[in-house]
Amino acid sequence: SAVISQKPSRDICQRGTSLTIQCQVDSQVTMMFWYRQQPGQSLTLIATANQGSEATYESGFVIDKFPISRPNLTFSTLTVSNMSPEDSSIYLCSAISSESYNEQFFGPGTRLTVL
Amino acid sequence: AQSVTQLDSQVPVFEEAPVELRCNYSSSVSVYLFWYVQYPNQGLQLLLKYLSGSTLVKGINGFEAEFNKSQTSFHLRKPSVHISDTAEYFCAVSERGNDYKLSFGAGTTVTVRA
Repeated sequence: SAVISQKPSRDICQRGTSLTIQCQVDSQVTMMFWYRQQPGQSLTLIATANQGSEATYESGFVIDKFPISRPNLTFSTLTVSNMSPEDSSIYLCSAISSESYNEQFFGPGTRLTVL
Repeated sequence: AQSVTQLDSQVPVFEEAPVELRCNYSSSVSVYLFWYVQYPNQGLQLLLKYLSGSTLVKGINGFEAEFNKSQTSFHLRKPSVHISDTAEYFCAVSERGNDYKLSFGAGTTVTVRA
């Protein structure tokens, strides 16, 4: 199984600012994803983080608001830009390892509060 | 596109009683099915998955689920719950050939009481 860590674990930010969340996996993985979990709700896929190329965004999510990078097979970042209180959520990174076919492992999440 | 419906938002249950969490999905193609658990203030942990083969799947912590293709269901069961099973449970589906993207149900909150 893959172990995923995220930084920061939580943050409180002012509206209009940006926050970059880091996701690190302890082994090489084939795919990485970013999800949002709004308060009291389920998880929604934001995008697939593609290594060395632009991320693939789901409907309702755009690169200007959620720029994503994946410079190598084990690391990705998600930036939440120009934040508003509606962006207050838990942001989770997930990955599929090359050894655990079709099983997604999740990071512990980053709890973001925007004031 | 796939979708997932968890029929119960809250399930209160007494310790050592059985529990069943219902999950139905819709998809036009074959799917993979998953149950995840989220303990308070933690990330998601995979309980079990159905990829192919036997329709009865056993997972961790004594949980099992049964895939029923005709009813498009994947209900989760445990014969005897513990206080430590208090958590949020998510059913998720991934369509074959859709790059492993997961669609999640709304979640079921299980509260186990002594």
